[in-house]
Amino acid sequence: QQQVKQSPQSLIVQKGGISIINCAYENTAFDYFPWYQQFPGKGPALLIAIRPDVSEKKEGRFTISFNKSAKQFSLHIMDSQPGDSATYFCAANLYGYQLIWGAGTKLIIKP
Amino acid sequence: DGGITQSPKYLFRKEGQNVTLSCEQNLNHDAMYWYRQDPGQGLRLIYYSQIVNDFQKGDIAEGYSVSREKKESFPLTVTSAQKNPTAFYLCASSDRDATDTQYFGPGTRLTVL
Repeated sequence: QQQVKQSPQSLIVQKGGISIINCAYENTAFDYFPWYQQFPGKGPALLIAIRPDVSEKKEGRFTISFNKSAKQFSLHIMDSQPGDSATYFCAANLYGYQLIWGAGTKLIIKP
Repeated sequence: DGGITQSPKYLFRKEGQNVTLSCEQNLNHDAMYWYRQDPGQGLRLIYYSQIVNDFQKGDIAEGYSVSREKKESFPLTVTSAQKNPTAFYLCASSDRDATDTQYFGPGTRLTVL
């Protein structure tokens, strides 16, 4: 019940294409859903986050879509660029004390 | 510049030795966290602290210990009781709790020889 399942494990997208990463959860107590981006050898950095009272949030080329009834949320990267190549993690907050993390998606953007 | 520093970047340890990883933040954040990251896996919480002199175990606290004597410092000790300590260790901080943005340090890669 405390898991966040992330897919796919890896993803290759052509430059200019749309990258889509999906996450699913079971615990309806989760109330905050961030996405983090991590480059090799670095710590993750917050990319974008959403709360369950909205269905979509957009920041530049990055969009979170949230489906509360399906208990799923996804990250869309429009016009994907080689600089977007990184590992992406979804997460969900539990009672304000800790984040439950997905396993990560390694994204490669081919030029 | 505000941020989180971790040292050292690389650490080698012989089996049976305790080692301490440093984490310092100058963001004036109340909450601090230690995570372990293994290849191909997500982040797993070791310990977290929401206030000075108080900390809580995360999902994988066995074989680890922490202290929070100062707001800006949250060192992690990997003890000899940790059976498989080779991993990438990340420290993070947030303003109050996990619903606030977590800011991460650059990490320490620990290798047990």
